[in-house]
Amino acid sequence: KNQVEQSPQSLIILEGKNCTLQCNYTVSPFSNLRWYKQDTGRGPVSLTIMTFSENTKSNGRYTATLDADTKQSSLHITASQLSDSASYICVVSHINDYKLSFGAGTTVTVRA
Amino acid sequence: SQTIHQWPATLVQPVGSPLSLECTVEGTSNPNLYWYRQAAGRGLQLLFYSVGIGQISSEVPQNLSASRPQDRQFILSSKKLLLSDSGFYLCAWSLVTEAFFGQGTRLTVV
Repeated sequence: KNQVEQSPQSLIILEGKNCTLQCNYTVSPFSNLRWYKQDTGRGPVSLTIMTFSENTKSNGRYTATLDADTKQSSLHITASQLSDSASYICVVSHINDYKLSFGAGTTVTVRA
Repeated sequence: SQTIHQWPATLVQPVGSPLSLECTVEGTSNPNLYWYRQAAGRGLQLLFYSVGIGQISSEVPQNLSASRPQDRQFILSSKKLLLSDSGFYLCAWSLVTEAFFGQGTRLTVV
């Protein structure tokens, strides 16, 4: 069973609107949680990284939150742009060996 | 700074032919190294990971193998490719709080 579950699987939003992506995980104990953006046919690029003691981390229009008690994280995209169209992947790192567990990703499509 | 090199970017191979994808990391020592495969429209599936030279863990049974002959070199291989081996292959490395991905290899088995 996958230890990182993301929702929704995909979503379509209009340019300028906000959206929130969800990530639930069962990895325990974990070292850190990261959000990546993956453009089609390219490798993922890191957006944010949070340790278990951090609640929020921002990177421009991207804001990630983390609730270590409920094992949930979210990625909020503000004022979406066409270039935000991509897959967003939640990745949790195991504390003991730093093995990475990936969510299946959420595909975001921003339309004009 | 740390960088990761993965090649080739695209590859078309006939069924039954061998495969060798190479990944090298610069700017770090003793990283954890990973090979992932991503089928079209799907998430990343971990194939292999390595915590040190000669140490390879396989996550799923498959037609592929991995080797780590040097600290910063990770190789994905197959003796005989199958049609089902087609996909997008990503190499990645992680060390404590850092994790980076290569640009990927698009493999098409024909």
